[in-house]
Amino acid sequence: AQSVTQPDIHITVSEGASLELRCNYSYGATPYLFWYVQSPGQGLQLLLKYFSGDTLVQGIKGFEAEFKRSQSSFNLRKPSVHWSDAAEYFCAVGAVNDMRFGAGTRLTVKP
Amino acid sequence: GAVVSQHPSWVICKSGTSVKIECRSLDFQATTMFWYRQFPKQSLMLMATSNEGSKATYEQGVEKDKFLINHASLTLSTLTVTSAHPEDSSFYICSATDLSGVRDTQYFGPGTRLTVL
Repeated sequence: AQSVTQPDIHITVSEGASLELRCNYSYGATPYLFWYVQSPGQGLQLLLKYFSGDTLVQGIKGFEAEFKRSQSSFNLRKPSVHWSDAAEYFCAVGAVNDMRFGAGTRLTVKP
Repeated sequence: GAVVSQHPSWVICKSGTSVKIECRSLDFQATTMFWYRQFPKQSLMLMATSNEGSKATYEQGVEKDKFLINHASLTLSTLTVTSAHPEDSSFYICSATDLSGVRDTQYFGPGTRLTVL
C-alpha cells in the first residue's frame, strides 16, 4: 500500500534562511510524487511534481525537490525563505487518480 | 490554465438540513473529480472519486447516502451533505483532472468551509 510520511509537523525558519521539508514514501512501483502548498483557508496549489527523468525537480516560487530512490525520499528545498512562504506543505504520492497525502508540515517564518 | 472553483466558499446551516457544494473546472474538461475532507490541522482525506456520467466511488467508511456526489457534466461535480449534523462540519475540497493525459495531476479548488449548528 502506498503511504507518505512527513516527519516534521511544524518547522520555524528565519526569513532568508534555507528550508528543507522532509517527505518519505512507500510505494510498490515507481512513484509519482508531488508537493502542494496550502495557505490558511485555501485549497492546494501544486509546487512541483516528479514522474521520471531528472531527479532534481524545479517548481514554482523558487522551490525544488530531489527524488532519492535509495532513501525513498522526496524532500522539498528552498535556498532563501520569504515571509509569504508561511503555509502548510503537503507531500503526495501515487497516480493521478489515486493520490495519498502526508499529514503536512506547517511552516512558520520568523522576521 | 487548470482553474477549479468551488461554491460556496463557506456555508453555515442548521442541523438536519442539506447543503450542496459545487465544484467546477473553469478552463478544462474534467473527466474525473475528487472530493476530500480536511479537519483542522490535518491532512486531506479522500472521500470519493467521480467520473463524468457514472456513479461515484466512495472510500471505505464514507457514507454514500449521506454524501451524495453527482458529476453530470465534464465541468461540474456537486457534493450534497444530507441531513447535516455538527460532526459533518469540516473543510471540503474538490479537485479535478483530465485522465486523457493532458492534465497529469490533480488541480484543487479553494475549498468550502461547512459549519453545522
